[in-house]
Amino acid sequence: NAGVTQTPKFQVLKTGQSMTLQCAQDMNHEYMSWYRQDPGMGLRLIHYSVGAGITDQGEVPNGYNVSRSTTEDFPLRLLSAAPSQTSVYFCASRLTSGGVTGNTIYFGEGSWLTVV
Amino acid sequence: GENVEQHPSTLSVQEGDSAVIKCTYSDSASNYFPWYKQELGKRPQLIIDIRSNVGEKKDQRIAVTLNKTAKHFSLHITETQPEDSAVYFCAASRDYSSASKIIFGSGTRLSIRP
Repeated sequence: NAGVTQTPKFQVLKTGQSMTLQCAQDMNHEYMSWYRQDPGMGLRLIHYSVGAGITDQGEVPNGYNVSRSTTEDFPLRLLSAAPSQTSVYFCASRLTSGGVTGNTIYFGEGSWLTVV
Repeated sequence: GENVEQHPSTLSVQEGDSAVIKCTYSDSASNYFPWYKQELGKRPQLIIDIRSNVGEKKDQRIAVTLNKTAKHFSLHITETQPEDSAVYFCAASRDYSSASKIIFGSGTRLSIRP
């Protein structure tokens, strides 16, 4: 298993540009989510999904869109990038159907995004 | 909405001493509380977790305690070593539920002094 795979790892955007951060997992996890990590702010939840076709907002959803057309993929879209969106982005997934390891959250390696 | 508060934000301890990090949560329906360790430039990784039907859990030098009544839980690291230096995050969620979003605390940067 590759686990949780995020691309790209590094990206520089100009203000107003759009882009998509890709996230894929091969563990058949129902739950997928996106977090952003800023210095001193911890991991803040942007959007999450508990299954294909279901998405919901987290703590800081403004400026971001998501969709979940398959169990494996959960892309994060920035429609019009702003300097305030400069951050490290982590995709994470887990099972929600129980089991000994059902609650373990697996993170991708992170995507470093700079908006200038 | 749900909130997880974590203290302190930074912690420096002498090698060999103990370190304690505390978290409080607001959602009384939360029943799963993991702790993650993040080394510089890497992804967070699970180090220990606890469910609400258990008051304490230990794994070698690491232990977590939970007080459901007060809605707080703590991470205890004994006999600290240089490799314990990292950022630690607590989190809270509802277990096996469609409302299963995971909310993290703001993190504690732990430094171990030689």
